[in-house]
Amino acid sequence: KNEVEQSPQNLTAQEGEFITINCSYSVGISALHWLQQHPGGGIVSLFMLSSGKKKHGRLIATINIQEKHSSLHITASHPRDSAVYICAVKPTFSQGGSEKLVFGKGTKLTVNP
Amino acid sequence: NAGVTQTPKFQVLKTGQSMTLQCAQDMNHEYMSWYRQDPGMGLRLIHYSVGAGITDQGEVPNGYNVSRSTTEDFPLRLLSAAPSQTSVYFCASSYNPGQETQYFGPGTRLLVL
Repeated sequence: KNEVEQSPQNLTAQEGEFITINCSYSVGISALHWLQQHPGGGIVSLFMLSSGKKKHGRLIATINIQEKHSSLHITASHPRDSAVYICAVKPTFSQGGSEKLVFGKGTKLTVNP
Repeated sequence: NAGVTQTPKFQVLKTGQSMTLQCAQDMNHEYMSWYRQDPGMGLRLIHYSVGAGITDQGEVPNGYNVSRSTTEDFPLRLLSAAPSQTSVYFCASSYNPGQETQYFGPGTRLLVL
């Protein structure tokens, strides 16, 4: 079982819709990251969370440490939001002491005009 | 700042050839890492470095070598390329592994025939 699970795998929405992407993880973590990968391949960091909620423009990220769950919301979605959204966690205890992020497989979002 | 740069953008190799993927950052980040991204899988850590002269293995290190002689540069060497190493390779850097914003390079697409 993957340590980080994202749902849905694929999501198609109409412009203007409210979008929610979910991330569940099975290990204790010190931080959770949301990343965006554009169709051209570039990866951009959106948020880094350790508790609560963060907002940047139309993007909102929340995390519930007790439930080991995070959500990424996009309000008033737009075709330019079409991308793969990736959740990654920083485990509290990493095997062998390695400093690493563990990544989900990503959610592919398509927003149609 | 140029951020994180990677060269080449695309490379075709024959089985058994060796090559070096270049990665450089100008943000004075101590932590640098190499990931590979394959279809249907999340980003997987190959090697990482927490500072000049210090490197360690990630999740999938076999067939790859790294060195970190300066803070800025973190090259990834393929010793004897195999078709299983066909992938997209991303270099990333940050001030603190996992606890700070991760900055990614644009990626190198590698095809091994």
